[in-house]
Amino acid sequence: GQQLNQSPQSMFIQEGEDVSMNCTSSSIFNTWLWYKQDPGEGPVLLIALYKAGELTSNGRLTAQFGITRKDSFLNISASIPSDVGIYFCAGQRGNKLVFGAGTILRVKS
Amino acid sequence: DGGITQSPKYLFRKEGQNVTLSCEQNLNHDAMYWYRQDPGQGLRLIYYSQIVNDFQKGDIAEGYSVSREKKESFPLTVTSAQKNPTAFYLCASSGRPRTGVGNQPQHFGDGTRLSIL
Repeated sequence: GQQLNQSPQSMFIQEGEDVSMNCTSSSIFNTWLWYKQDPGEGPVLLIALYKAGELTSNGRLTAQFGITRKDSFLNISASIPSDVGIYFCAGQRGNKLVFGAGTILRVKS
Repeated sequence: DGGITQSPKYLFRKEGQNVTLSCEQNLNHDAMYWYRQDPGQGLRLIYYSQIVNDFQKGDIAEGYSVSREKKESFPLTVTSAQKNPTAFYLCASSGRPRTGVGNQPQHFGDGTRLSIL
């Protein structure tokens, strides 16, 4: 099945730095979602984007739905140790989700 | 608390054995889903159900079966035909589409890790 192109694959950043990751697709999606997964747990929804061009924030997290509807980015400002984990983008079409392979975030304290 | 409960947390399968993973939700969601997660990969859809007594194959349904006899429950059976069952299995659910917004986001349980003995 189709997967999204998510980058970077992993990041190792200093605490307090800003982080940026993105997803691209060759197909259009109606909704973009960003999830965070901690080890041994299920993904938790961070942000949902419903309209092309939409920019949405959730605390230190900001995500945008690309104008072409084929891409999205997630920014994390002033990273802290609890930001570590795997971040997944997902494009939604109807009831079905297509996931990126994930971005592993590691933070140096 | 409302949520999605998966059990067991860990499961071991012997050769030739069928095993069933449980997923229960009390969110009153119509749609439920099963995903498989392998290391370094995103989630892949196994089966989904949009309403009771109805379900559809996802991208990797071979070797798996499901049932949806109740709105709250969507068990997944990993059959002996699934030759590489070792993975992390995630169940999700979502509510009805909202007017002007579209489909609701999927929310996930905490997963079941299946291993081969």
